[in-house]
Amino acid sequence: DIQMTQSPSSLSASVGDRVTITCRASQSVSSHLNWYQQKPGKAPKLLIHGASNLQSGVPSRFSGSGSGTDFTLTISNLQLEDFATYYCQQSHSTPPDTFGQGTKVEIK
Amino acid sequence: EVQLVESGGGLVQSGGSLRLSCAASGFTLSGHWMHWVRQAPGKGLVWVSRINDDGTSTSHADFVKGRFTISRDNARNTVYLQMNSLRAEDTAVYYCVSLTVAVDYSAFDIWGPGTMVTVSS
Repeated sequence: DIQMTQSPSSLSASVGDRVTITCRASQSVSSHLNWYQQKPGKAPKLLIHGASNLQSGVPSRFSGSGSGTDFTLTISNLQLEDFATYYCQQSHSTPPDTFGQGTKVEIK
Repeated sequence: EVQLVESGGGLVQSGGSLRLSCAASGFTLSGHWMHWVRQAPGKGLVWVSRINDDGTSTSHADFVKGRFTISRDNARNTVYLQMNSLRAEDTAVYYCVSLTVAVDYSAFDIWGPGTMVTVSS
């Protein structure tokens, strides 16, 4: 099974900051990497698919990059509504569809 | 509106059974592979099971193999998860999720709100 490791596990940031979350796969997943946002008590929401493609309706301050084993999710100009937990997920070699352990973005 | 809604969760004793249902509205499930993903309290997302679009192929995570069974009824636009021999560690919110497959990606694009399963020991 492919293991996904996110870092950091949590971070504190202020409104307007630029935030970067990394995700590393235990073996190459090509560009088959998705990012999700989850707010407390809610279901996850797809943000980015195929490593760098913004899902319809997602603000352009979100961006993704990477391929192979190393990926990043960047939030530029962090907004109040962006404080949430973010998960990466590989869809390259399934099952299982494996998720990272999550990165919680908190208000500083 | 396109949505998935789970039902059937609740409190059950260790060793007991539950059947979760996932009903789709606003779209037809028959063209989609469907999955169940769970999240234990305060923990991350974990994939549980999947079923192909016509129900002829299923897969389950090792930790539920032999205990959980995923199925679907496309005529009813519904997916199910039969959970037997439940353990305390199965306590979680269970999400029903639709997989979108395109030329160059696949992703979980439609999620239900989740249903809570609590297994008491």
